[in-house]
Amino acid sequence: KAGVTQTPRYLIKTRGQQVTLSCSPISGHRSVSWYQQTPGQGLQFLFEYFSETQRNKGNFPGRFSGRQFSNSRSEMNVSTLELGDSALYLCASSLGDRVQFFGPGTRLTVL
Amino acid sequence: SQQGEEDPQALSIQEGENATMNCSYKTSINNLQWYRQNSGRGLVHLILIRSNEREKHSGRLRVTLDTSKKSSSLLITASRAADTASYFCATGPLLPGNTPLVFGKGTRLSVIA
Repeated sequence: KAGVTQTPRYLIKTRGQQVTLSCSPISGHRSVSWYQQTPGQGLQFLFEYFSETQRNKGNFPGRFSGRQFSNSRSEMNVSTLELGDSALYLCASSLGDRVQFFGPGTRLTVL
Repeated sequence: SQQGEEDPQALSIQEGENATMNCSYKTSINNLQWYRQNSGRGLVHLILIRSNEREKHSGRLRVTLDTSKKSSSLLITASRAADTASYFCATGPLLPGNTPLVFGKGTRLSVIA
């Protein structure tokens, strides 16, 4: 089975721009979670989608949003980028037993 | 906020030695998981221990769970240079459908050849 894939792998944006990241889960996995990882804050939960519905949401501003499609693929969007949004964004899929299968991540740099 | 807190934050050992990492958490859990992350990559699931289990083994990994102390430990025996990575514990809540896993900040393990 193919693993979780994330595109793009690297991204450079400037402040004020917006960005969309994509995640394709493992086939058959209906839950997709997004995390932000920074050296200072560690791994922070953004949101989780299950069957196209947002099931959980972390403590992030409304600039961070996401969605899930009927094929379980998910996207997250960050609008009005700030320098502090520079991070590794990780997507993970699961079958629902809470074991997460992570993708390689998207490294976002905001200049 | 992070529930799991790993200790130590960083650990450096010689190849062949054992490495022990600890995780403490605050609230009741359904399960506790350990993950490994190589530099700048995604996390890889290592092992899951349920709240009614006390010890679990997987290859060179041994995990213990003490729910009375709200703590867990991960032991890597006969470490190798390839074990160099960050290790995270994650706690699974009592109601898995309603709340997400909560990750700690990790222990950075360096195994010197």
